[in-house]
Amino acid sequence: AQKITQTQPGMFVQEKEAVTLDCTYDTSDPSYGLFWYKQPSSGEMIFLIYQGSYDQQNATEGRYSLNFQKARKSANLVISASQLGDSAMYFCAMREGPGDSNSGYALNFGKGTSLLVTP
Amino acid sequence: DTEVTQTPKHLVMGMTNKKSLKCEQHMGHRAMYWYKQKAKKPPELMFVYSYEKLSINESVPSRFSPECPNSSLLNLHLHALQPEDSALYLCASSPQGADTQYFGPGTRLTVL
Repeated sequence: AQKITQTQPGMFVQEKEAVTLDCTYDTSDPSYGLFWYKQPSSGEMIFLIYQGSYDQQNATEGRYSLNFQKARKSANLVISASQLGDSAMYFCAMREGPGDSNSGYALNFGKGTSLLVTP
Repeated sequence: DTEVTQTPKHLVMGMTNKKSLKCEQHMGHRAMYWYKQKAKKPPELMFVYSYEKLSINESVPSRFSPECPNSSLLNLHLHALQPEDSALYLCASSPQGADTQYFGPGTRLTVL
């Protein structure tokens, strides 16, 4: 079963506008972590933002914020004031469980959303 | 500084060749990861090393052989690959096993 669902294969946004990228997740574990990564055409996966399942407040990092709605199991990424350089593929990912500091963990990735920022 | 480096950036190899991919980080991270990413797909985990020991192997074929010579270096040895193994190979590291993973720029592998 798909653990992470990103329903928007592609999105367009005009420069300087805000955009929301959707992500829903499925887990029965009370402890988990949610991540967003950006992947430009060059290929590198760039970490953007993290939200822990027990975090009381929504995570924010500069122009990125995570709209965490635990009851709905959604973790949408909001990019404010879009820039041309934001054009990329965006992946939502989840770590199930608290993570084991001695073992590492697998990230479950969604299929991604391709964002194009237009002038 | 969250830099993970990978060499080479591009690699073309025949099915009978032996080659290696290299990943390096000097951030003192204790967990390192190999992912494979096919075009227009999300990354898929291959291997995890934690404290230089293999902790997760996602049933990867034996033609892929990982090695962690020290805490800063992770290699992926390739032998007798198939054309369907052509992909972007991403390395990542995390400070401890449960922390955020930081990725390198990847190696684009083409198997002829």
